[in-house]
Amino acid sequence: DGGITQSPKYLFRKEGQNVTLSCEQNLNHDAMYWYRQDPGQGLRLIYYSQIVNDFQKGDIAEGYSVSREKKESFPLTVTSAQKNPTAFYLCASSTYGTGGNQPQHFGDGTRLSIL
Amino acid sequence: QQQVKQSPQSLIVQKGGIPIINCAYENTAFDYFPWYQQFPGKGPALLIAIRPDVSEKKEGRFTISFNKSAKQFSLHIMDSQPGDSATYFCAAGYSTLTFGKGTMLLVSP
Repeated sequence: DGGITQSPKYLFRKEGQNVTLSCEQNLNHDAMYWYRQDPGQGLRLIYYSQIVNDFQKGDIAEGYSVSREKKESFPLTVTSAQKNPTAFYLCASSTYGTGGNQPQHFGDGTRLSIL
Repeated sequence: QQQVKQSPQSLIVQKGGIPIINCAYENTAFDYFPWYQQFPGKGPALLIAIRPDVSEKKEGRFTISFNKSAKQFSLHIMDSQPGDSATYFCAAGYSTLTFGKGTMLLVSP
């Protein structure tokens, strides 16, 4: 089955620690996205990538970093600079180079909490 | 300019009722308006989407109404069922998507 796989489902971060969230897609989509979801806040864009080895900051990129070395993979690192990392993180992908006018397909998220 | 305002925050209807969720946007460059459904602990799933060259689109029990001049669009769920109880998000965009804050819908049996 084609889809987006996010792992782990739950993740705990200690003070001063960097953690990496995995996102893999087998939909052969060009574009991939990371969103953060907080209760009552909708989804906010962290980073997105339209092609391999290229990515752009979204609305709330501070404290996060990404890489896009392979078309099917777009890992997100939550760094120690992100002071309020507790949230539900969602990865998405879409066809073509931009996602605003093409359907975005989402994974089932990673819930990150602070120890 | 990038905001998408969604209302109401929450909504309770009886089975068979027609819940209506509204969204308003500001950026006239937006050319794609999807609605997503999300169940607890899951990622959002695309329900239906519309582009600004049409005023209405139906897919099954879900209908989008679009008013370009008012910069508003809405989701109607016909013959709502308890299984429709979820959080619904509107979005709008042209290169990336801007999401509304969501509406929690409860359909009572």
